[in-house]
Amino acid sequence: GAVVSQHPSWVICKSGTSVKIECRSLDFQATTMFWYRQFPKQSLMLMATSNEGSKATYEQGVEKDKFLINHASLTLSTLTVTSAHPEDSSFYICSVRDRGSPGNTIYFGEGSWLTVV
Amino acid sequence: AQSVSQHNHHVILSEAASLELGCNYSYGGTVNLFWYVQYPGQHLQLLLKYFSGDPLVKGIKGFEAEFIKSKFSFNLRKPSVQWSDTAEYFCAVNPEAISGGYNKLIFGAGTRLAVHP
Repeated sequence: GAVVSQHPSWVICKSGTSVKIECRSLDFQATTMFWYRQFPKQSLMLMATSNEGSKATYEQGVEKDKFLINHASLTLSTLTVTSAHPEDSSFYICSVRDRGSPGNTIYFGEGSWLTVV
Repeated sequence: AQSVSQHNHHVILSEAASLELGCNYSYGGTVNLFWYVQYPGQHLQLLLKYFSGDPLVKGIKGFEAEFIKSKFSFNLRKPSVQWSDTAEYFCAVNPEAISGGYNKLIFGAGTRLAVHP
């Protein structure tokens, strides 16, 4: 079964509004989660590292005020796209590292399709 | 800039043909290496990974990959592909493989494999 769950799977929002995507670790506690974005026909691009109880670490070029990340518990991280614009339409994927597994296995969520109209 | 390069963007093979997908990275020092597969409509799944030891790594579904440190390469191979192998394949590198640290994956652009009967 799924180890990491994302919600919603699909979301359409109006330009200028904000939308929240949740990433839940179902089988283990995760102090670190990762958020990726995948544009059509392109690879996954790491956006930020979500750290439980502290500020997220953003990759270069990613606006921290636009993509708000909250890792409030050991099983939940949220990504909020604020004042969304059509160019933010993308596939957003989270991943979770299982420190208790051999080799620190990384599991990916199913992804969330965001369409901004 | 440091990167992960996958040489083939699209590959079309007949069933039973042999497969080799190239992956090169430009990070120095210790790295962990991964191949992920994304079947149509599904989320990323781990095929295999290399952390240390034998540079020839066996994965699921008959896939293997060879780490050649001198060439900064981690090519994916399968002796005989099946129609069900049709998917997109991503090479990923963790350039911060510090024991006890977190794994931040950098992905290649992906290779779309189409296998026809």
